[in-house]
Amino acid sequence: SQQGEEDPQALSIQEGENATMNCSYKTSINNLQWYRQNSGRGLVHLILIRSNEREKHSGRLRVTLDTSKKSSSLLITASRAADTASYFCATDNRQGAQKLVFGQGTRLTINP
Amino acid sequence: GAGVSQSPSNKVTEKGKDVELRCDPISGHTALYWYRQSLGQGLEFLIYFQGNSAPDKSGLPSDRFSAERTGGSVSTLTIQRTQQEDSAVYLCASSLAGVRETQYFGPGTRLLVL
Repeated sequence: SQQGEEDPQALSIQEGENATMNCSYKTSINNLQWYRQNSGRGLVHLILIRSNEREKHSGRLRVTLDTSKKSSSLLITASRAADTASYFCATDNRQGAQKLVFGQGTRLTINP
Repeated sequence: GAGVSQSPSNKVTEKGKDVELRCDPISGHTALYWYRQSLGQGLEFLIYFQGNSAPDKSGLPSDRFSAERTGGSVSTLTIQRTQQEDSAVYLCASSLAGVRETQYFGPGTRLLVL
C-alpha cells in the first residue's frame, strides 16, 4: 500500500494566499522529504525533515512533522504564480528496504 | 557541476520492441534510483543501486524490466518486448549516500509504446 498520501489531490488558490498540503504515512520513518514537480518532469527537492524534528523552515516554506499522527504538512506562504506545480511527499521506512516511497501528489494551481 | 542527465528525452516505440533508457548520475553519488510515473500519478519505485551492493530490484514490475549500473556510474534501464502499459515517464535520481539523503532527479524519459 502507498506509504505517503497527500491531501488534497488538487488545490487552487489566489496569488498571495497561503497554500497548505498534507501528507500521511503508515510506518515508522527516518525522515520525510517534500519534492516539487513541474510539467511532469524531474522532481526538485524542497526540504527534508528528520523524525526527531517537528518543524523546519526554508524561505517561504514551512514543514511540520507529527510522528504520533504519522503526518506532515507543507505550507507555502505568500504564494506566487510560479509556485504552480505538483508537490509530493516521500518517506523511507525505518525498518524496511532502502527506498523512498512517494505519494500521489497535490496539484497546486496559483491563480494570478 | 552537472546534474543528473537522462537520454533520450522522448522515445516512441512499437509494441514488442526493446528499449534502453540511460541515466548519468551526479559524479560521486553512490546511490542511483529508477522510478516510473504514469500520467497524473505518483512515482513508482523500480530499482535502487548502492555502491557495490546487490541492487534492490523489488520494484521491477516484471521480468521484462532489467537495469545495470556499470562502473558504479552510468545506469541503463532495459525494457524488453514493450507493452502499451509501459508508456510512462521514467525518472532517474541519484544521491550522495543513500535513501536518507536528498535525491537529485534527472528530467526523465517519456516513453510511448504504440
